[in-house]
Amino acid sequence: GNSVTQMEGPVTLSEEAFLTINCTYTATGYPSLFWYVQYPGEGLQLLLKATKADDKGSNKGFEATYRKETTSFHLEKGSVQVSDSAVYFCALSDTPGGGADGLTFGKGTHLIIQP
Amino acid sequence: NAGVTQTPKFRILKIGQSMTLQCTQDMNHNYMYWYRQDPGMGLKLIYYSVGAGITDKGEVPNGYNVSRSTTEDFPLRLELAAPSQTSVYFCASSYSASGSVNEQFFGPGTRLTVL
Repeated sequence: GNSVTQMEGPVTLSEEAFLTINCTYTATGYPSLFWYVQYPGEGLQLLLKATKADDKGSNKGFEATYRKETTSFHLEKGSVQVSDSAVYFCALSDTPGGGADGLTFGKGTHLIIQP
Repeated sequence: NAGVTQTPKFRILKIGQSMTLQCTQDMNHNYMYWYRQDPGMGLKLIYYSVGAGITDKGEVPNGYNVSRSTTEDFPLRLELAAPSQTSVYFCASSYSASGSVNEQFFGPGTRLTVL
């Protein structure tokens, strides 16, 4: 079956630090990959996505590259802000639209940015 | 557009009670999903629907039921509440057409406690 593994949190950084959150996956098909963000008390929001190998998803200064050879989709940001504090979820789908089987999520990484 | 709305926001149930979690979307999405999120864990798919009148089980369906009589609404029913159903429940929707990969839009969640 499908699975997503992401680094355990919490991850605590100072403002303007460089961020990497690791994500690796196992999938039976050729999945699409997603990063979702959850701010306190809110639902999940799509941060970025990639649908094929070597695609780079980007949004709000965050980036992630679909690496098929290493089955990875690591999230990076060059300079984090306090407002980036949230829980970040890596997810995959091997059917269109997150499709008939929904998304497979990692456990989430709690990111804390200190001023 | 309101997007995906869920009611109630919070609820406390006694063991054995029943309740319905409501979910409505106004984006004319064909796919709808129910997930649960347990502390420190990713989201697990409970049920999903690919259109009105069609529902199917996800990864963790036991103890729940759903119906999809309209495109907009996808209620989740708990018949005999158990402490193991204490969780945060998220409804999501997406529009899926052949070959396309579209994001899922999430509601704000319902926090349920069973005592």
